[in-house]
Amino acid sequence: SYVLTQPPSVSVAPGKTARITCRGNNIESESVHWYQQKSGQAPVLVIYYDSDRPSGIPERFSGSKPGNTATLTISRVEVGDEADYYCQVWDSSGDHVLFGGGTKLSVL
Amino acid sequence: QVQLQESGPGLVKPSETLSLTCAVSDYSISSGYYWGWIRQPPGKGLEWIGGIHYSGSTYYNPSLRSRVTISVDTSKNQFSLKVSSVTAADTAVYYCARDVKQHQTNWFDPWGQGTLVTVSS
Repeated sequence: SYVLTQPPSVSVAPGKTARITCRGNNIESESVHWYQQKSGQAPVLVIYYDSDRPSGIPERFSGSKPGNTATLTISRVEVGDEADYYCQVWDSSGDHVLFGGGTKLSVL
Repeated sequence: QVQLQESGPGLVKPSETLSLTCAVSDYSISSGYYWGWIRQPPGKGLEWIGGIHYSGSTYYNPSLRSRVTISVDTSKNQFSLKVSSVTAADTAVYYCARDVKQHQTNWFDPWGQGTLVTVSS
């Protein structure tokens, strides 16, 4: 079955750039959406349609999708960006929503 | 700014039915959009459960379809989730969210704060 694969963890120093990947066999033909979930809180949408940013989300958050890998990029990382990040698609082959396993971003 | 709030029992016995409601404020469900449920077992990732349109049209995760029912009450501006024959594996934080369905895709925004449901005798 279709699976979205994310690295379990990514570490980055404050002020640097973090890149979180999301891989899937058919991802090049699906729109990818990204969520940020801080500890003890509900997820928040940070990117939709691969690279669009909802209002209120800082420009430091961006998305791209070259080939079969989607990437969430966080520039000038802040301590407050420490969270779990999830990618999500609509799996048109299985007619259901699919989430990646999540990536824990640590800001060292 | 639409807001969502989950409510329901925090403890359910094995083999019984889990029932939750999501109240929507500052937006009329009848104005459009789908409305969805997502859950997250403690320490684990997100799992989509299903969604409903105000017209009553539903769609479910195939792995849960046999046990899940989602309904809508437009007069109360809320929608509900029922999961039957629960086991410990259904212990999770349950979130409701607005389900933004577009051509061949969808995303969830915003989300409720979530409610923990524990299945235990």
